[in-house]
Amino acid sequence: KQEVTQIPAALSVPEGENLVLNCSFTDSAIYNLQWFRQDPGKGLTSLLLIQSSQREQTSGRLNASLDKSSGRSTLYIAASQPGDSATYLCAAKIQGAQKLVFGQGTRLTINP
Amino acid sequence: ETGVTQTPRHLVMGMTNKKSLKCEQHLGHNAMYWYKQSAKKPLELMFVYSLEERVENNSVPSRFSPECPNSSHLFLHLHTLQPEDSALYLCASSQDPGISANEKLFFGSGTQLSVL
Repeated sequence: KQEVTQIPAALSVPEGENLVLNCSFTDSAIYNLQWFRQDPGKGLTSLLLIQSSQREQTSGRLNASLDKSSGRSTLYIAASQPGDSATYLCAAKIQGAQKLVFGQGTRLTINP
Repeated sequence: ETGVTQTPRHLVMGMTNKKSLKCEQHLGHNAMYWYKQSAKKPLELMFVYSLEERVENNSVPSRFSPECPNSSHLFLHLHTLQPEDSALYLCASSQDPGISANEKLFFGSGTQLSVL
């Protein structure tokens, strides 16, 4: 059974710092790994999707990497801003299934 | 209007009430999903519909009854809920429910449900 874990559950950093969010998964048989952002009381917004054949994806100040052999993905945020404050969730799409398995998320706070 | 729209945004109901959550997607997608998000737990997939047919039911209690009249609309009918059913219910859509490695989910803003 696929399990996805995100540590830490919460992270607080000063504005301007670069930071890394971590995601680990137990079963390497995945189609893709996705990162989402969720603002309080809102739905999820897709940030980056890395296919199983890829190693990383970039969008603006965000860079996501995938290492299937070690069961890890990271989301790198460069030059953090207060507007980046949100909960970040990763999700693994299981091979042969139609479901995403989500981690519990990391609640990120960027302090001005 | 674009994207995935959910109504109502907030709902308070008693355990004996019957209510429905509505989701509408304006993206031309063929698959729609219901997810449940409880405090301090990962998102849980409840139901998947593909071209109006239910293709997955993740052992959800019968007090939750989904309906998909067409590929743009999805409902979740609620009856005799329990307080532990209080959660954020999220609707999502995707182009297809299949096994594409590039499939992205688009979420609505959710309905925050409180069962008293």
